[in-house]
Formats: sequence, C-alpha cells, structure tokens
Amino acid sequence: QKEVEQNSGPLSVPEGAIASLNCTYSDRGSQSFFWYRQYSGKSPELIMSIYSNGDKEDGRFTAQLNKASQYVSLLIRDSQPSDSATYLCAVNAPGGSNYKLTFGKGTLLTVNP
Amino acid sequence: GAVVSQHPSWVICKSGTSVKIECRSLDFQATTMFWYRQFPKQSLMLMATSNEGSKATYEQGVEKDKFLINHASLTLSTLTVTSAHPEDSSFYICSAHPPASGSVNEQFFGPGTRLTVL
Repeated sequence: QKEVEQNSGPLSVPEGAIASLNCTYSDRGSQSFFWYRQYSGKSPELIMSIYSNGDKEDGRFTAQLNKASQYVSLLIRDSQPSDSATYLCAVNAPGGSNYKLTFGKGTLLTVNP
Repeated sequence: GAVVSQHPSWVICKSGTSVKIECRSLDFQATTMFWYRQFPKQSLMLMATSNEGSKATYEQGVEKDKFLINHASLTLSTLTVTSAHPEDSSFYICSAHPPASGSVNEQFFGPGTRLTVL
C-alpha cells in the first residue's frame, strides 16, 4: 500500500526563522510531489510542486527532493504568523491515468510572533 | 492557478435526505475530478475519481450507491450523498486536474462543502 508519512507536529518556530517540514513516501516509483497548505476550515492550496531531484525555490519556499532516500521536504524562510497552517505532502505514483494523489496526514506549523 | 468552485459552501440537512454538491472548473476543462472527504483533524481521504463521460472509480470502502457521482460535462461534477446520516457529516472537497501543459499532475481544490446532518 502506498504511504506518505509526515510528522504531525505541531512544529513551532519563531517569526523570521526557517521552518523545515519533512515527508517520506513508500512507493519508489513515485514521480510527482506536491506541498499543499491548508488553513483551518479551508481547503488545501497548492504551494509547490517538484518532479526531479534537487531543490526548487519559489519566493520564501524551497522544496527539496531526494528520490534515492524517498524523501521530500519544504523549507519556509523568514516564517510569518500567516504561514501558520497545516502543510500536506502529496505524492503521485505512476500507473493508471487518473493522476491520483496520496496525501500525508499533514504537519501543523505554528509561527509565533 | 486554475480555479475550481463548489456549491454550496455549507449545508445542513435532516437525516435520511439527499444532498447534492456541485464542483465546477471555471477556467479550464477537466476530464478528471476527484472527491475527498475530511473529518476534523484528519487528512484528506480520497472517495472517488470522477471521469467525464464514464463511471466514477470509487476507493475501497466507499459505497458507490450512497455517494453518487456524475461528471456530465468537462466543467461540472456532482456528488450526491443519498440518505444522509449524522456520520456523513464532514468536509467534502473536490479537486480538478487541468489538461497536461507543463503542470503534469497538479490538482487544484475547490473551497469545500461542509455538510452537517442532523
């Protein structure tokens, strides 16, 4: 069974610090990796996607992928209180044509002013 | 990013009634849409994959006769919760997959529908 594991947290960081969120996945054939942000009571919002090994930067966000270790991470630089949310890691594995995603349970991030 | 809408945003119904939730892709055509359910403090659970013009594919443990899915056009999928009971109270979220054009497998989520069954 395909699994995506995340530390549920809560992860608490001070404002301005770097928040590091981690995710591991079980299906070695996985090809697409996503980070979603979900505020309480709201639906998930896509913030990063990554498809190849290495780093991908977008503003204050950096996604890191290591397929050999089956590990994907999200770094948030200069964390702001507005970044406080649950961050969901999602993985798409090949097979079929329905682009189905498997989600982790999410990590709750709290940024303290 | 692509925009997905849902209607209604919240609904309260009596036990035994049916509720229909609509999911629309506003600025793209979606051959595939997904329906998720999320209970409080839990992650998203995929219920079914909705395919335009064909039958939905349900995940294991999801009753297809209870959760009816219709994907009649490239911009609209509906989920009908039939004979709803209090245990069906949850946050229902749809997502859509835009056509592959550099955004290979991204899914964009609607705002969700909060269902409360009394």
